[in-house]
Amino acid sequence: ETGVTQTPRHLVMGMTNKKSLKCEQHLGHNAMYWYKQSAKKPLELMFVYNFKEQTENNSVPSRFSPECPNSSHLFLHLHTLQPEDSALYLCASSPSGKGGTDTQYFGPGTRLTVL
Amino acid sequence: GIQVEQSPPDLILQEGANSTLRCNFSDSVNNLQWFHQNPWGQLINLFYIPSGTKQNGRLSATTVATERYSLLYISSSQTTDSGVYFCAVAPYSGNTPLVFGKGTRLSVIA
Repeated sequence: ETGVTQTPRHLVMGMTNKKSLKCEQHLGHNAMYWYKQSAKKPLELMFVYNFKEQTENNSVPSRFSPECPNSSHLFLHLHTLQPEDSALYLCASSPSGKGGTDTQYFGPGTRLTVL
Repeated sequence: GIQVEQSPPDLILQEGANSTLRCNFSDSVNNLQWFHQNPWGQLINLFYIPSGTKQNGRLSATTVATERYSLLYISSSQTTDSGVYFCAVAPYSGNTPLVFGKGTRLSVIA
């Protein structure tokens, strides 16, 4: 138990569906992250939020839409996904959002399959 | 951007054996972390070690920042050590997020 929870743990969706992934951290951290992990690829950073403000968007397609209503919650809204978007989506949090010195804590991930 | 290379990519060990995993990086860093991802996908941070040596039970890590590498030692390996070990770094300049290596996949067999 890392103090970061994600729901759902597994998700199967069609290309025309709309779904959302949820992440919650109970660590009092100020930064939250979304990563994508595809088979046989390194972790890819998608978005970073510091104090609820988005500070990184790594050229992520607009069919992925993040939302950070407060420092403890992070959502990833999904719509009109493609089969190549199937992957493990990991959420993480860190104390200060200063990438240079922060320690990141990860949730268990949501395994997404797009049919 | 900064490059992170991990070796070996795959490693198979007999239970009880020792191993050394390596992480090379291409620029000065002020953050280096080792993570273990278990077979169910959960990433656990093992060490925050931008320089120096740390130990935690059967695991220890050493980072030689001036030579741009870090080593993770696993002693008396157990089947529960199986999974993927990632090294992640952040360069010294600015507040850039962590950059992950491709990982070392470790299989410990009984």
